[in-house]
Amino acid sequence: AQRVTQPEKLLSVFKGAPVELKCNYSYSGSPELFWYVQYSRQRLQLLLRHISRESIKGFTADLNKGETSFHLKKPFAQEEDSAMYYCALGANSKLTFGKGITLSVRP
Amino acid sequence: ETGVTQTPRHLVMGMTNKKSLKCEQHLGHNAMYWYKQSAKKPLELMFVYNFKEQTENNSVPSRFSPECPNSSHLFLHLHTLQPEDSALYLCASSQDTQGQGRQYFGPGTRLTVT
Repeated sequence: AQRVTQPEKLLSVFKGAPVELKCNYSYSGSPELFWYVQYSRQRLQLLLRHISRESIKGFTADLNKGETSFHLKKPFAQEEDSAMYYCALGANSKLTFGKGITLSVRP
Repeated sequence: ETGVTQTPRHLVMGMTNKKSLKCEQHLGHNAMYWYKQSAKKPLELMFVYNFKEQTENNSVPSRFSPECPNSSHLFLHLHTLQPEDSALYLCASSQDTQGQGRQYFGPGTRLTVT
């Protein structure tokens, strides 16, 4: 079975502070990992995926197979980063989502 | 509107009603998905269609009945629902189920069962 755990529901930081949104997964094979984001009054959209190894809006995420983690990081948070973030695992032709975490960036 | 559209955006129905949710994608994708998003629970995959064929039914109660007449349209027929079925129902599409990671989501239908 595949499972995604996001241990925190809310992270509140000040503008300019570093951000780390945690994600752990459980899957016996080689999964694909993704981060999706939902800004206020917008639809859920893909932020980044581990196979791309890219930085999107200053966010990066590294797949750590040893720790089965895919934490999302940004060195300096901006107010426009405030949103709901979901970690997702792709395997067996489907996506399994975590419960999500609300990131609030205060001015 | 381009992308993935869903209608209606809000729906209130009684437990004895029959209603349908509609999803349409304008992206030329071949896979479409229904998800349920409830408060305090993660997004739950309900159904997957790939090239109009259902490839996944995630143990969804029979009071939810999907229909995919073509690769651009997906319906979710609802009948004799329960109050606990109240949730946001999201539709998504992707090129096919091999590229399931890059899914494009619709705005959702907020369903309230009274």
